Amino acid sequence: KQEVTQIPAALSVPEGENLVLNCSFTDSAIYNLQWFRQDPGKGLTSLLLIQSSQREQTSGRLNASLDKSSGRSTLYIAASQPGDSATYLCAAPNQAGTALIFGKGTTLSVSS
Amino acid sequence: DAGVIQSPRHEVTEMGQEVTLRCKPISGHNSLFWYRQTMMRGLELLIYFNNNVPIDDSGMPEDRFSAKMPNASFSTLKIQPSEPRDSAVYFCASTGFDTEAFFGQGTRLTVV
Repeated sequence: KQEVTQIPAALSVPEGENLVLNCSFTDSAIYNLQWFRQDPGKGLTSLLLIQSSQREQTSGRLNASLDKSSGRSTLYIAASQPGDSATYLCAAPNQAGTALIFGKGTTLSVSS
Repeated sequence: DAGVIQSPRHEVTEMGQEVTLRCKPISGHNSLFWYRQTMMRGLELLIYFNNNVPIDDSGMPEDRFSAKMPNASFSTLKIQPSEPRDSAVYFCASTGFDTEAFFGQGTRLTVV
């Protein structure tokens, strides 16, 4: 059974810092992994989708890496801004490959 | 495309009443998911449809919950009778063949 864990649960940083959010998953036979952002009271916004054949994906100041062998993914945010404050969720497919299993998320607060 | 559209955005109902949540997936997507989000349990998969057919409903908590997808552009999640412990945010998501998941804004359900 796929389980997804995110560490830390919460993170506070000053504006301008580079930071890394961690995600681990138990079933490494995944075909992709997806990172989402959720603002308070809002839905989930897809940030990055990494296919199993890829090692990383980049979008602007965001870079996500995937290491299937170790069951880990990281989301790197460069030069953080107050607008980056949100909850970041990692999701990996279940064993059947039919749906996404989510971590509990990391709530990021960037202070100006 | 307007993305995944859910209605209503907020629903307050009395215990014992029937509640129907609605979802319009992104046009052309062939998979649809219903998730429930609570502070305690995070995001939980309730049911997954592929090509309008329910594939996995193992996450549906009780017989009080039912979901339908009569066509490719519409799905409903019904709770009858509703109970206070059903209070949560319910999300609908859809994916196409590239498997990137897109979420709606959610329905915040409060059962009093």
